[in-house]
Amino acid sequence: NAGVTQTPKFRVLKTGQSMTLLCAQDMNHEYMYWYRQDPGMGLRLIHYSVGEGTTAKGEVPDGYNVSRLKKQNFLLGLESAAPSQTSVYFCASTLGLFGGYTFGSGTRLTVV
Amino acid sequence: AQKVTQAQTEISVVEKEDVTLDCVYETRDTTYYLFWYKQPPSGELVFLIRRNSFDEQNEISGRYSWNFQKSTSSFNFTITASQVVDSAVYFCALRLRSGNTPLVFGKGTRLSVIA
Repeated sequence: NAGVTQTPKFRVLKTGQSMTLLCAQDMNHEYMYWYRQDPGMGLRLIHYSVGEGTTAKGEVPDGYNVSRLKKQNFLLGLESAAPSQTSVYFCASTLGLFGGYTFGSGTRLTVV
Repeated sequence: AQKVTQAQTEISVVEKEDVTLDCVYETRDTTYYLFWYKQPPSGELVFLIRRNSFDEQNEISGRYSWNFQKSTSSFNFTITASQVVDSAVYFCALRLRSGNTPLVFGKGTRLSVIA
């Protein structure tokens, strides 16, 4: 049982480049989330989805876009990467609204 | 808006000592859920416990125990007889029952257990 899979695990981008982070879950979870983790800041919510075809903004959405075209996938896009987006990105999912989240292993992104 | 505060940024203990990680939360809602997650050095986030606001019973799981006190808005986590494998960053989180509000995390407490 794979759980939540994030690709890629590591990436280095140049300022201004674009990329997409993929999150895939095989647990038929309804809710999916993208967080970023920065030293001393904990985990901050970027965007989330409460079901296929839905997305919503979190605490720090600027500079990111998301899509949930299929229930099992939640994509996070950076259109024009900036050094401030250097971070570790975590995807999570949950079946019910109040259950514990299952997290992916994270994507370490460096923007130079 | 809800908020979670973990005032202890870093804690170091010697193996076999007991250690308590503090978590204080703020919310005006009466129905909510509290969580603890562990992030070991390998980086993954591991779910430890969920507690709803109507259940103030303390929870014990092996060497781990949790003390939930609504009167002080606290949900503290104690590790008894700590071990080196307990070294990790621990996050407390809060989720309201109303709406679709996702988890709000504290900034985490880094625990180092020294052999």
